[in-house]
Amino acid sequence: GQNIDQPTEMTATEGAIVQINCTYQTSGFNGLFWYQQHAGEAPTFLSYNVLDGLEEKGRFSSFLSRSKGYSYLLLKELQMKDSASYLCAVLDSNYQLIWGAGTKLIIKP
Amino acid sequence: GAVVSQHPSWVICKSGTSVKIECRSLDFQATTMFWYRQFPKQSLMLMATSNEGSKATYEQGVEKDKFLINHASLTLSTLTVTSAHPEDSSFYICSASDGGGVPYEQYFGPGTRLTVT
Repeated sequence: GQNIDQPTEMTATEGAIVQINCTYQTSGFNGLFWYQQHAGEAPTFLSYNVLDGLEEKGRFSSFLSRSKGYSYLLLKELQMKDSASYLCAVLDSNYQLIWGAGTKLIIKP
Repeated sequence: GAVVSQHPSWVICKSGTSVKIECRSLDFQATTMFWYRQFPKQSLMLMATSNEGSKATYEQGVEKDKFLINHASLTLSTLTVTSAHPEDSSFYICSASDGGGVPYEQYFGPGTRLTVT
C-alpha cells in the first residue's frame, strides 16, 4: 500500500527554527509537495521537489532524498502566523497525489 | 493568478435534501478539477477527479450516485450531494490544475463547510 508519515503535532517558539519530516512509501514517485493549511481554510502551495536536494524559498526550505523516501520542510524565523497544519503529498506513478495526514504546528510566543 | 473560488462557503441543510457546491477557476482554464472532503483533524481525502467534458473518476468507496460531479466547462465544476445525511457533514474542498507551471500543482478553493441536520 501507499503510505505517507508525518508527525501529528509539533510545538516551536516564535523566532526559532522547526523541521517537519515526511517519509513516504508509494508506487512510483513524480514529485513531492508541501502545502500549508490554516484551520478552516484550504491548503496553499509551499513547495515542490522532484530532484534530491534542498530548495530554499524565503523563510521556508524543503529537502528531498528519493533514495531514503524522505523529505523535510524547514521553517526559519518562526512567526505566529506560521501556526497551521503542514501537509506532505507525493505524486505517485499514476500522477495521483497521495496525502499525508498533516502536521499541526503550534507556535508559542 | 491561479485563483479558485467555491460557493457557498458554508451551508446547512436538512437530512434528505440535496446540496450543490460550485467550484470555479477565475483566471485560468482548469484542465482537471478535484473534489476532496476533510473531516476534523484529518487529511484531505480525494473523492473524485474530473476533466472537462468527460465523466468524473471516483475514488474507491465514494458513491458516484450520491456525489454527482459535473465538469461542464474549463472553469466550472459542480458537486451535488444528493439525499444528504448527517454523516455527509464535512469540509468539501475543490482544487484545479491547469497543466502548466509546477507539474500537477493543484490550486485550492477556500472550501465549503456542509452541515446536515
